[in-house]
Amino acid sequence: GQQVQQSPASLVLQEGENAELQCNFSTSLNSMQWFYQRPGGSLVSLFYNPSGTKQSGRLTSTTVIKERRSSLHISSSQTTDSGTYLCAMLMDSNYQLIWGSGTKLIIKP
Amino acid sequence: NAGVIQTPRHKVTGKGQEATLWCEPISGHSAVFWYRQTIVQGLEFLTYFRNQAPIDDSGMPKERFSAQMPNQSHSTLKIQSTQPQDSAVYLCASSTTGPSAETLYFGSGTRLTVL
Repeated sequence: GQQVQQSPASLVLQEGENAELQCNFSTSLNSMQWFYQRPGGSLVSLFYNPSGTKQSGRLTSTTVIKERRSSLHISSSQTTDSGTYLCAMLMDSNYQLIWGSGTKLIIKP
Repeated sequence: NAGVIQTPRHKVTGKGQEATLWCEPISGHSAVFWYRQTIVQGLEFLTYFRNQAPIDDSGMPKERFSAQMPNQSHSTLKIQSTQPQDSAVYLCASSTTGPSAETLYFGSGTRLTVL
């Protein structure tokens, strides 16, 4: 079965609202990462966050290992935040990433 | 630093034809990854090179897919006898030592369409 469940599949917000994206893992979490992909664009790493909370500007990532989940919070969303956000879990091999299905975020002006 | 360069950006082939995709990793990066992305399957790992040596190709469909890294400046993914189900965006990524987010850089991908 799918090891990484990402939700919601899509999210539409008004500019200025906050966004909360979730990833749940069915196996023990080695470490996890968040990526951003603009339509037609390449993947850009946002966070490498094996545990705890990390913040970068308006983005905050929180990983709770024992609960096998990770979240990405975007505060005061902007239209430029629109795109697809993907989480990925690092397997024990230490180089293979297992990917979530992505959250398509649309921020309306 | 031009980032990871993938060529071509788009490729259209007829069923049964061969397709070769190219990747130029970031200079100095020792790890190169190939992934495939489709709407249905999402992102799938294909293969991994470290210092030009193939480490893991467990994600590669064995019969028609092959990948090489003849030198540290480029890697190729070759698909023989392409089939419509091979249509996808093929992504190459490079890294200094491993896939941690601080060091994993993706190219813009090659969109392969098999008619």
